[in-house]
Amino acid sequence: SQQGEEDPQALSIQEGENATMNCSYKTSINNLQWYRQNSGRGLVHLILIRSNEREKHSGRLRVTLDTSKKSSSLLITASRAADTASYFCATASNTDKLIFGTGTRLQVFP
Amino acid sequence: DTAVSQTPKYLVTQMGNDKSIKCEQNLGHDTMYWYKQDSKKFLKIMFSYNNKELIINETVPNRFSPKSPDKAHLNLHINSLELGDSAVYFCASSQVNEKLFFGSGTQLSVL
Repeated sequence: SQQGEEDPQALSIQEGENATMNCSYKTSINNLQWYRQNSGRGLVHLILIRSNEREKHSGRLRVTLDTSKKSSSLLITASRAADTASYFCATASNTDKLIFGTGTRLQVFP
Repeated sequence: DTAVSQTPKYLVTQMGNDKSIKCEQNLGHDTMYWYKQDSKKFLKIMFSYNNKELIINETVPNRFSPKSPDKAHLNLHINSLELGDSAVYFCASSQVNEKLFFGSGTQLSVL
């Protein structure tokens, strides 16, 4: 079954603007991860946030986690055309599998 | 020095054929996975192996058989290919509950 659902499904912004993507999940987790997928390529890990963390930063990326609401958000600040990609959240529970959300397609226009 | 490499990148074949996809990782990870991504970009886990042992086997037709000769390799063999098997198949590796490293994918087209 699908663990994560992402919102919005698609997002179009201008370069320099911020992009926010949200992820909701259903069961308790050990950690939540965000990945990027460029067209025709494999997924690349961006950031991992553990269940006892509330916020994490990596460069222009900021991830928040609210375990009470079972939700996470990914903020990309000062977006660039090169940020154009699909972004997926994925949750890790007590099993060895990572379950992916439905993805958000981000288009950044120069 | 590709971390997770899978071959071939493209696979075009007729219905009913048998094909294999190979995957190798040089990261020293204990766990390897096969994921299937459909035309809507929905990514679903198929199998997971930990140190050559099958630990996750989702609801996948038994025409799909993974094989792990050692912990650095996880191959996927598919028998009697069907049209619905067309998708992109990704191999990945990780340490347990840590980030995944993905291969570049194998686009399978069944005609």
